[in-house]
Amino acid sequence: GENVEQHPSTLSVQEGDSAVIKCTYSDSASNYFPWYKQELGKRPQLIIDIRSNVGEKKDQRIAVTLNKTAKHFSLHITETQPEDSAVYFCAAPVKGTALIFGKGTTLSVSS
Amino acid sequence: DTAVSQTPKYLVTQMGNDKSIKCEQNLGHDTMYWYKQDSKKFLKIMFSYNNKELIINETVPNRFSPKSPDKAHLNLHINSLELGDSAVYFCASSQRGGANYGYTFGSGTRLTVV
Repeated sequence: GENVEQHPSTLSVQEGDSAVIKCTYSDSASNYFPWYKQELGKRPQLIIDIRSNVGEKKDQRIAVTLNKTAKHFSLHITETQPEDSAVYFCAAPVKGTALIFGKGTTLSVSS
Repeated sequence: DTAVSQTPKYLVTQMGNDKSIKCEQNLGHDTMYWYKQDSKKFLKIMFSYNNKELIINETVPNRFSPKSPDKAHLNLHINSLELGDSAVYFCASSQRGGANYGYTFGSGTRLTVV
């Protein structure tokens, strides 16, 4: 079936470094790619999203890039801070009915 | 005001019992969803529902049934609870009847079956 693969599953960086999380999707009809951040014990929250008519979108220290030909999209976090530590999920819609989520990346930022 | 609210926040129950989780959204969204998050943090779609169509993930046991009294509510009823049903269940909603817009999640219900 349709799925979304996410890598890496864990990522440890030093404060101030950059972090990159990558996802691939299988449904070529997908045209919306959100990223969610989930802190421990909290709900997932939308942090940035991109639609298929653009290749890159930035919001302060976070950015998302999309390569529709290769069916890849990535989250980039620059100048990481300890409060960026969380689980990050990519997602893509399947047949327009619901978002399918990647398995998550646990990001740890050490000071 | 809470945009998507779920009750209860915690639910501990014995195997074999029947339980319900309630979800309400005040965002005026068209579509609501139930997701299950297991111990490995994997978010798995269970149901999506708008005022026209219920879509069920075929891997969800028929012991799980969504019930929607109106567009703002989507409850989850679970019959004959099993140990493997222990998880965090998230309700979510999105606008315009599709998954091509960002979700707003509820705060989750942690279900523990003993």
